[in-house]
Amino acid sequence: SAVISQKPSRDICQRGTSLTIQCQVDSQVTMMFWYRQQPGQSLTLIATANQGSEATYESGFVIDKFPISRPNLTFSTLTVSNMSPEDSSIYLCSAGDGYTFGSGTRLTVV
Amino acid sequence: DAKTTQPTSMDCAEGRAANLPCNHSTISGNEYVYWYRQIHSQGPQYIIHGLKNNETNEMASLIITEDRKSSTLILPHATLRDTAVYYCIVSPQTDKLIFGTGTRLQVFP
Repeated sequence: SAVISQKPSRDICQRGTSLTIQCQVDSQVTMMFWYRQQPGQSLTLIATANQGSEATYESGFVIDKFPISRPNLTFSTLTVSNMSPEDSSIYLCSAGDGYTFGSGTRLTVV
Repeated sequence: DAKTTQPTSMDCAEGRAANLPCNHSTISGNEYVYWYRQIHSQGPQYIIHGLKNNETNEMASLIITEDRKSSTLILPHATLRDTAVYYCIVSPQTDKLIFGTGTRLQVFP
């Protein structure tokens, strides 16, 4: 199975700013997925990122708030824009092999 | 997407088998049963998956009923390090994974 490097592992950000999270996969994968895990909750799928096309967002998530890039088959970024304290969560990426998750980015917005 | 139902929490004594049930009565023919676990503050860890046959690997065994409407994950000799939230998910292979609330397994000495 693939190995994912996700960074940053954690960050504390000021409200109104943006943070870009990066995921690098050690092999080519067609799809990558981005999840959010709010404190004490399960994982919620944000969007599916395919290389060469626009990301597909789940209900409740919009591109203006969570723009995603997928420039090639091994890399993707998720940006959390115009952050508020409600965006404080763990953000995780997953490779489309069905097996592998990044270690997560713990975001705190103050 | 088919949904799953799992008990909210379970306890298991260290060294004993942990049997975690999952109901997925609306599973479709092309959907696999996946199990993941999440240890506190870590990303989800893949455990095992299957379509209709029972599966075993170094971590666990997966027993799927003949009608595929339910399954059981078996950790044969639970250790304290197996304390985690266990998620049962049904999905077509390599498609997006929709997580439910999972079962919080507490292994005690």
